[in-house]
Amino acid sequence: GQQLNQSPQSMFIQEGEDVSMNCTSSSIFNTWLWYKQDPGEGPVLLIALYKAGELTSNGRLTAQFGITRKDSFLNISASIPSDVGIYFCAGQNYGGSQGNLIFGKGTKLSVKP
Amino acid sequence: GAVVSQHPSWVICKSGTSVKIECRSLDFQATTMFWYRQFPKQSLMLMATSNEGSKATYEQGVEKDKFLINHASLTLSTLTVTSAHPEDSSFYICSARDFKTSGGTDTQYFGPGTRLTVL
Repeated sequence: GQQLNQSPQSMFIQEGEDVSMNCTSSSIFNTWLWYKQDPGEGPVLLIALYKAGELTSNGRLTAQFGITRKDSFLNISASIPSDVGIYFCAGQNYGGSQGNLIFGKGTKLSVKP
Repeated sequence: GAVVSQHPSWVICKSGTSVKIECRSLDFQATTMFWYRQFPKQSLMLMATSNEGSKATYEQGVEKDKFLINHASLTLSTLTVTSAHPEDSSFYICSARDFKTSGGTDTQYFGPGTRLTVL
């Protein structure tokens, strides 16, 4: 079945630094989604990507849908303490009868003030 | 963005009792909702796909008689954990699928989760 490799598993950075994380897949997706999850809460959608090559920003966050449709990255610029949390990538095939998400294992981000 | 609510946010129950968790899409209709389980420090594990007006589809290894799913309307799905035992203690999260054929988008929005503790 489809699997996602998300890296890095964890990051410890200084406030103000930029962050980059990525996901790769063994097969193609036509939708990539990035979520952030805080402890004890559900994942919150950050960015959705629907076209290969698409580059989308949401404030300090930028994500790209790889041209091969097998990868995506998420960048966070000028990190702040509230960026702390676990970031998940998810791949999905648009439409279809179910629309199941395939999740990466997450990147845990820690930000030192 | 779209809002999905879950109720209750936490529940503590005795072993052998049943617990019902509700998932609602508040500002859009969702023909499909998903139920996940998450263990500490792990990613989300899909348990079942809930389709409005039809039977749920369960992932391999998930007991359908143990985890009853009902999707009676386009905005509500319920998960009932029957005869709960301590090993059922976990964080249960639902999501609702917002599928727009006109806009060409297919996005899932998650509820805030329900922490179940079975004593």
